[in-house]
Amino acid sequence: EPEVTQTPSHQVTQMGQEVILRCVPISNHLYFYWYRQILGQKVEFLVSFYNNEISEKSEIFDDQFSVERPDGSNFTLKIRSTKLEDSAMYFCAIFIQYGRRGNEQFFGPGTRLTVL
Amino acid sequence: KNEVEQSPQNLTAQEGEFITINCSYSVGISALHWLQQHPGGGIVSLFMLSSGKKKHGRLIATINIQEKHSSLHITASHPRDSAVYICLPFTGNQFYFGTGTSLTVIP
Repeated sequence: EPEVTQTPSHQVTQMGQEVILRCVPISNHLYFYWYRQILGQKVEFLVSFYNNEISEKSEIFDDQFSVERPDGSNFTLKIRSTKLEDSAMYFCAIFIQYGRRGNEQFFGPGTRLTVL
Repeated sequence: KNEVEQSPQNLTAQEGEFITINCSYSVGISALHWLQQHPGGGIVSLFMLSSGKKKHGRLIATINIQEKHSSLHITASHPRDSAVYICLPFTGNQFYFGTGTSLTVIP
């Protein structure tokens, strides 16, 4: 089973600061997704990234957010000028298409972001 | 508006009981995933369905594309099944998350 790691596991930052959350799949993948889950709420889709481009993004994913694949392996989510309401668990997922077998997502363990 | 509705929202069962979690959605989909979120927060993909039925151990997932409805069944439930179960329709471009069903299985 493909493994996805995320760093850091917990990030504490001051309001207005920039944070970069990292997602590292063990093997090379084309499809990445970022989700967030505010404490006590449901998981929300942020953005999907295919072949080094954003393919879909939600209303949440405004100009404050950006995604990159800086070195062809790591996949980053940058949040500029963080706000208190950005405090959440951020999950990265890879998406693998198996052809006739269908497709599957593998989630990273998440990064807990706390904005003070 | 909610594109995905799950029921029940909360469920408490005795160990050994047969459990059903339902998911109705309004979007056109190419597939539907069922996820399990553990109490610690980690998310695991259980099933991907585009038609019919799939079984994995004590878990069974079914989908009716025409009725836009899917169910997740757990046979012989066990306390370690306690988690939030999330229905996740996929349109081909975007995933829509259900609110989740919080399951507690009591020994």
